[in-house]
Amino acid sequence: GAVVSQHPSRVICKSGTSVKIECRSLDFQATTMFWYRQFPKQSLMLMATSNEGSKATYEQGVEKDKFLINHASLTLSTLTVTSAHPEDSSFYICSAPQPGATGNTIYFGEGSWLTVV
Amino acid sequence: GQQLNQSPQSMFIQEGEDVSMNCTSSSIFNTWLWYKQDPGEGPVLLIALYKAGELTSNGRLTAQFGITRKDSFLNISASIPSDVGIYFCAGQSSNAGGTSYGKLTFGQGTILTVHP
Repeated sequence: GAVVSQHPSRVICKSGTSVKIECRSLDFQATTMFWYRQFPKQSLMLMATSNEGSKATYEQGVEKDKFLINHASLTLSTLTVTSAHPEDSSFYICSAPQPGATGNTIYFGEGSWLTVV
Repeated sequence: GQQLNQSPQSMFIQEGEDVSMNCTSSSIFNTWLWYKQDPGEGPVLLIALYKAGELTSNGRLTAQFGITRKDSFLNISASIPSDVGIYFCAGQSSNAGGTSYGKLTFGQGTILTVHP
């Protein structure tokens, strides 16, 4: 079964509004989670690193005031797209590393489709 | 920054054929991961490789972590229609406790089409 869960899987919002996407680690704690963005037929591009108890770290070119990240607990990170515009429409995916005996394994959520109209 | 070159970009094969794809990097990675992504879904982990030279199998899938730590390949034997999807390699440069722990760099993906 899934070890990382995202919600909602699909959301449609009006231009200018804000949308929140949740990422939860199931049955394990994740002090760090990652948010990616993926355009059709392209690879995943890292947007930011979500850190529990501290500020998120954003990749170059990603607006931190537009993509607000809050790591509320050891099992939950949220991504809020503020003042959304049609160009923000995309597939957003989160991941979390799960420590293991031989090394950590990074699991991904199911993804969230955002459509801004 | 780090980049992963994944090839081929796409493959069209007949059911039953074997498939091979690979990734190379200009930098060293400590972990290589292979994922499969179906349309509209998140990537699903297929195989994780933690040691240089490691060869790991998962059913019909076999992957190897290159000895130089700059490359990896994935083989799929006796392909079936449900193997269709996009396959991504991903590298992680830091182990637990490192500043980049869990942060992945992805290849461009290989689109696999299997004809019955």
